[in-house]
Formats: sequence, C-alpha cells, structure tokens
Amino acid sequence: QKEVEQNSGPLSVPEGAIASLNCTYSDRGSQSFFWYRQYSGKSPELIMSIYSNGDKEDGRFTAQLNKASQYVSLLIRDSQPSDSATYLCAVNPLSGTYKYIFGTGTRLKVLA
Amino acid sequence: DADVTQTPRNRITKTGKRIMLECSQTKGHDRMYWYRQDPGLGLRLIYYSFDVKDINKGEISDGYSVSRQAQAKFSLSLESAIPNQTALYFCATGSAGGNTGELFFGEGSRLTVL
Repeated sequence: QKEVEQNSGPLSVPEGAIASLNCTYSDRGSQSFFWYRQYSGKSPELIMSIYSNGDKEDGRFTAQLNKASQYVSLLIRDSQPSDSATYLCAVNPLSGTYKYIFGTGTRLKVLA
Repeated sequence: DADVTQTPRNRITKTGKRIMLECSQTKGHDRMYWYRQDPGLGLRLIYYSFDVKDINKGEISDGYSVSRQAQAKFSLSLESAIPNQTALYFCATGSAGGNTGELFFGEGSRLTVL
C-alpha cells in the first residue's frame, strides 16, 4: 500500500476559481506535511508546510490538515495559469526521522 | 549559483556501465537525499544521510550505492546500469535544526540507460 496517495489528475479549473488538491496518508504517527510545486522538467519547490490540525494560510494558498482522517489538502484561491504544475504531497512519517515520503503528485491545469 | 548542484545534468550511457551522479551543497545542511522520479510514480527515496557517518537505505536502494564524502557532498553510484534505471534523479538537502522540514532540491540529473 502506497503510504501517500494523491489523485494524478489532471485537475482542470478555470482562471480565478479555487483549486482543491487532496492527499491521504497511511501512517497515523506522521507529524509533518508538505506541499511542493513542480513545473514540468524542473525541481520541486516548497509552497506550504503544516504540522497541526486545522488550516494554515499563506497568500492564495491554504493547507488543511486532519490527522484523525489522515488527509491533508491544498486550496489555491484565484487560480492563475502560472499555477499550472504538478503538486506533490510529502509526509514525514515519524517524528525525527526526516524520511520524507512523496505522493505521485496531482497535475493542475488552470484554463485561461 | 545554485545552493544544491548536481552533475551531470544529462547523461546517456549503456547497459552495464558504472555511473556516478554527484551532488554538492552550499547550504550547510546535515541531511542529504537522493530521489528518483519516474512518470506516474512520483519521487521515490533511494538513500539518505544525516551526516558523514550515517547512511540509510530508502525504499528503492537495490542497484544503487552512495558515498557521503563530506558534509557538503553526496554521490550516487550505479555499479552496473540497466535500462529500468532510466529516470530523473534529484538530490535534496534539509537542515537538522528547527522545525521547517523543508527540502531543497537540486536541478536534477536526467539519466538514460540504453
């Protein structure tokens, strides 16, 4: 069983809409969660991290964590064509191990 | 200059050849990682190291070996390359301090094994 699951997409949203990306994980002991954005042919870059239940907002991005249900989500408000990329969910499955496990990524397409 | 540098950026080789991918970083981080990325499979962890004397296998270490020559350098070797090792390889670093947990990635090394 894959430890971190994401829908591969593509998820298509019109410009200006809210894009909602989801990720589930299998290890209940997981402590820290990350969203990376990866443009085609480029390296991943961190856009959000979250460590406790609830919402965390940073500009147009909101990360949501629900440890009881073992899911983490990323909302992108006012989506722009430049947001079109693959979004990778990463989990540190056990506190202190720093052995990050990545999901397969969700490809987002924002239509102008 | 990039904080995490990978060489070579692109390499085409033949089955059975020995290949080394090198990674160096100027971020002063203790933790270094090697991942490979394949279409539809995401990033998979090959090896990781928390300091020069600490090397750990990831989920797909078979066919690979690593060397942590210094805090700033972490090399990945394919002793006898095979076609299914064709992939995009990323080196990443992370700091042992603080709670950010962020990984910083190199630009990637695209390896093709014929």
